[in-house]
Amino acid sequence: KNQVEQSPQSLIILEGKNCTLQCNYTVSPFSNLRWYKQDTGRGPVSLTIMTFSENTKSNGRYTATLDADTKQSSLHITASQLSDSASYICVVSAMDSSYKLIFGSGTRLLVRP
Amino acid sequence: EAGVVQSPRYKIIEKKQPVAFWCNPISGHNTLYWYRQNLGQGPELLIRYENEEAVDDSQLPKDRFSAERLKGVDSTLKIQPAELGDSAVYLCASSLETVDPDTQYFGPGTRLTVL
Repeated sequence: KNQVEQSPQSLIILEGKNCTLQCNYTVSPFSNLRWYKQDTGRGPVSLTIMTFSENTKSNGRYTATLDADTKQSSLHITASQLSDSASYICVVSAMDSSYKLIFGSGTRLLVRP
Repeated sequence: EAGVVQSPRYKIIEKKQPVAFWCNPISGHNTLYWYRQNLGQGPELLIRYENEEAVDDSQLPKDRFSAERLKGVDSTLKIQPAELGDSAVYLCASSLETVDPDTQYFGPGTRLTVL
């Protein structure tokens, strides 16, 4: 069964600190992996997308990594800001049905001043 | 460019009442999705349209849920009658299948509370 699991479920950090969110997946055949940011009361917005051959992708202070062998991904946030407080959702697309995205449950991040 | 528009943003109803949600996708996007997102969970696909055709409604509870996409643009999702367990955020998303089918653009969602 295609699944995406994220950890931790929630995280609280101080402003300016770094953090890393984890995503493990069992999706086959793999097409791509995205990290979405979902602010409270808003729809998810794509941060990064990585295909099988990519192992790092950056978007400003966000850096995603992908290990296709171990089927793990991480999202590293550098020098966190209050506006980073949101849910971060890992989404994996299977190659046989690319429109169907398998969503993780998300990590709820709270950045405190 | 305007994003995906949804209305209403919030809806509170009593159980057994009907409710409808509306979605206007990004102009030119031929594929439209309805998702349900329970608290603390990721979105779950309910139905996917390509133009006006529902190509995947396998996860749509057809006994009480219905959807339509007239003229392949706007879409409505209806629940009749609503149950307590239907309380969730209903997200609409759209994509341009011919260019990048995996990039879905989400609307802000409609938060439904069933009392």
